[in-house]
Amino acid sequence: ILNVEQSPQSLHVQEGDSTNFTCSFPSSNFYALHWYRWETAKSPEALFVMTLNGDEKKKGRISATLNTKEGYSYLYIKGSQPEDSATYLCAPRLYNQGGKLIFGQGTELSVKP
Amino acid sequence: DVKVTQSSRYLVKRTGEKVFLECVQDMDHENMFWYRQDPGLGLRLIYFSYDVKMKEKGDIPEGYSVSREKKERFSLILESASTNQTSMYLCASTTGGDEAEKLFFGSGTQLSVL
Repeated sequence: ILNVEQSPQSLHVQEGDSTNFTCSFPSSNFYALHWYRWETAKSPEALFVMTLNGDEKKKGRISATLNTKEGYSYLYIKGSQPEDSATYLCAPRLYNQGGKLIFGQGTELSVKP
Repeated sequence: DVKVTQSSRYLVKRTGEKVFLECVQDMDHENMFWYRQDPGLGLRLIYFSYDVKMKEKGDIPEGYSVSREKKERFSLILESASTNQTSMYLCASTTGGDEAEKLFFGSGTQLSVL
């Protein structure tokens, strides 16, 4: 069983705080790394798909970095807003897993106004 | 926008019932997936399909079967529902063939088996 670890499991911050989460995954057989945001009562939606070591992607106040050699990715949120409250899921895709995504357990973010 | 529609948002069934969860996507996607989400666990893959009438077991297929008679529809079947199948079920689709491809998800079905 492959281990995809996300930390922290949950996070409570005040509006305006910047925050970051970690996703750790097996570094061998790396193919791609996905980040999804899942708001309550909505569909999970893709934030980023990253494939290259050193990749950095940005979408508004959210950005992500990728280190495939050591097997981790960071997701940053600058100036958190209440609408950022959601569960953030990471999922690597590895060659030896038939192209399937392996999801972490998620980081639940709550942003208080 | 791609739309993935799951037939029910909430479902309550009794132990032993046969349960059908339906999923329809409107973007001609080749690949479709069924996941379940349980507290403290990541999304776990139950079954997936790369083409019509094609199915592959995921990581936790026991107690489930699937049907893909048409490209746009992927059904998850619980032959005899049990309480340990109480969970959030998510359907997803993607075009296939590219490692940079993201999944498009439905909004989920919260199934309670009593």
